[in-house]
Amino acid sequence: DTGVSQDPRHKITKRGQNVTFRCDPISEHNRLYWYRQTLGQGPEFLTYFQNEAQLEKSRLLSDRFSAERPKGSFSTLEIQRTEQGDSAMYLCASSFGGAGSTDTQYFGPGTRLTVL
Amino acid sequence: GESVGLHLPTLSVQEGDNSIINCAYSNSASDYFIWYKQESGKGPQFIIDIRSNMDKRQGQRVTVLLNKTVKHLSLQIAATQPGDSAVYFCAENLSSGDKLTFGTGTRLAVRP
Repeated sequence: DTGVSQDPRHKITKRGQNVTFRCDPISEHNRLYWYRQTLGQGPEFLTYFQNEAQLEKSRLLSDRFSAERPKGSFSTLEIQRTEQGDSAMYLCASSFGGAGSTDTQYFGPGTRLTVL
Repeated sequence: GESVGLHLPTLSVQEGDNSIINCAYSNSASDYFIWYKQESGKGPQFIIDIRSNMDKRQGQRVTVLLNKTVKHLSLQIAATQPGDSAVYFCAENLSSGDKLTFGTGTRLAVRP
């Protein structure tokens, strides 16, 4: 258990609905990342926070996707008007970036989204 | 031997043998490399990492080798056990704190 938790673990929704996922990083970690993984592929980067600031967003993150980390601790990822192509595993990772740190990213168990 | 699975290349090894999983990375400017193990339905689990100023690093039963000349990374697992069965991904990033770029992944199947 890496200490990164995600909720829910599974989400089934109908096309057009909005969904929100939550990630709680390892408590002392200041960096938080979201990735998406489809079957048979490696995770693909979506976005990244340092503390509460969103520093980078992938072109994969369409206008329907939004992520927040309001207090620099937990983060939420919202998908609006879901499409079948959004079906995937959504992974959260956290790391500690500081002097002498390797900044290793540790992953949570993921949220599997199925859009019907 | 190796066989190509539906989505992932597969390496099948006998329990107790050594395993070698290979990865070709994409960016010659990458500074940091990590191997992750992913079991079905779980998130990637950190195994071992290496920085670009090193060419070898050893952990418990695992060794990572880095050849920057040909942009190649390998993971060696000694005395492979059934619990090692999983998909293994290599990942790279340009600098500390940067996003990770993952390779295709290799499925390791351990025969009893």
